[in-house]
Amino acid sequence: GEDVEQSLFLSVREGDSSVINCTYTDSSSTYLYWYKQEPGAGLQLLTYIFSNMDMKQDQRLTVLLNKKDKHLSLRIADTQTGDSAIYFCAETHQAGTALIFGKGTTLSVSS
Amino acid sequence: ETGVTQSPTHLIKTRGQQVTLRCSSQSGHNTVSWYQQALGQGPQFIFQYYREEENGRGNFPPRFSGLQFPNYSSELNVNALELDDSALYLCASSPPLGSGYGYTFGSGTRLTVV
Repeated sequence: GEDVEQSLFLSVREGDSSVINCTYTDSSSTYLYWYKQEPGAGLQLLTYIFSNMDMKQDQRLTVLLNKKDKHLSLRIADTQTGDSAIYFCAETHQAGTALIFGKGTTLSVSS
Repeated sequence: ETGVTQSPTHLIKTRGQQVTLRCSSQSGHNTVSWYQQALGQGPQFIFQYYREEENGRGNFPPRFSGLQFPNYSSELNVNALELDDSALYLCASSPPLGSGYGYTFGSGTRLTVV
């Protein structure tokens, strides 16, 4: 079945870049998302990318998509302590249908 | 514009009881989805409602049911609660097809079954 995998933990120093990786199995995935979850909170949409794109940049965030390898990454430039959170990769094959989430990557930023 | 609001924020129930969780969708959004997030896991899709009808369901038993109202708000009902139903329940709304691609999530309802 469909599956989304992420590494579970990433630790970086303030000011460094963070790269969070995700792989997915569904070759019909059309929309890929990155969500952020802070402790005790819901999910905040950070960015999304369509499968016909290979890169998207939004301020400090850069998303790279390798469709051949079904690999998605989120790069956060100049990581701040406020970026400490759990980051979820999610995919769906059709707009408005169910999202399939990974288990999340916990990003810890030390000063 | 208002976001997705969920109530209550926290709830404690006893095994075997029934619970109703509520969700108001974001203005302009006509589709509502519910997700269950167990501790340390990613959210799992329960079901989705569109035009007051169930429009897709994940791998959850029939004791999980829902409703959508004409104003697009929604309820999630869980009967015969089990200890494993303890989780954060997230509601997400999405706009009409073709008018956007984002799902807006609420802050969730933390359900504890004892």
